[in-house]
Amino acid sequence: DVKVTQSSRYLVKRTGEKVFLECVQDMDHENMFWYRQDPGLGLRLIYFSYDVKMKEKGDIPEGYSVSREKKERFSLILESASTNQTSMYLCASSSIQIRVNTEAFFGQGTRLTVV
Amino acid sequence: KNEVEQSPQNLTAQEGEFITINCSYSVGISALHWLQQHPGGGIVSLFMLSSGKKKHGRLIATINIQEKHSSLHITASHPRDSAVYICAVDSNTDKLIFGTGTRLQVFP
Repeated sequence: DVKVTQSSRYLVKRTGEKVFLECVQDMDHENMFWYRQDPGLGLRLIYFSYDVKMKEKGDIPEGYSVSREKKERFSLILESASTNQTSMYLCASSSIQIRVNTEAFFGQGTRLTVV
Repeated sequence: KNEVEQSPQNLTAQEGEFITINCSYSVGISALHWLQQHPGGGIVSLFMLSSGKKKHGRLIATINIQEKHSSLHITASHPRDSAVYICAVDSNTDKLIFGTGTRLQVFP
């Protein structure tokens, strides 16, 4: 059974903390994605990566960075967490032609609360 | 105005009812996805379609490219169908654009 696994389901962090959200996929997919999901706004793309050590900004990259040192792992980093980064974070992966009629597979999501 | 609009935003139904969720989009697309998100947060891909109709069990998805509209139907709904259903499109500008979701609750 294919899987995208996010390291935490729930996280509570303090303002100013550095936060790491980890995502691992076992499908040997080239593309990996980080989204945040907020009520009324749907999913919004933060960053994506189409290969190891490659990254591209999505629609809302401000306040975030990413790391892809290995093909199966894509990390989202909040350098200095702020309360407006309280959200549900979803990781996804897909094969190289995600933009052309292929499925994306999603993780379980991490609900992050910044206090 | 969002590029992908879903209706209704919230939907309640009695077990056994036929359910329809609608998705309209205003951009050119190569494919449309229907996703299901359970209360725990995980998302499952239900359908990906670029024309016509697909069926999987009690779920049916249709798309009309000319009208830029898709529908997700659930026949003989069940409480376990309670979830958020999300429409997403692969746009011609290489972006995956999501609707805001339809929250469905099915009561026994």
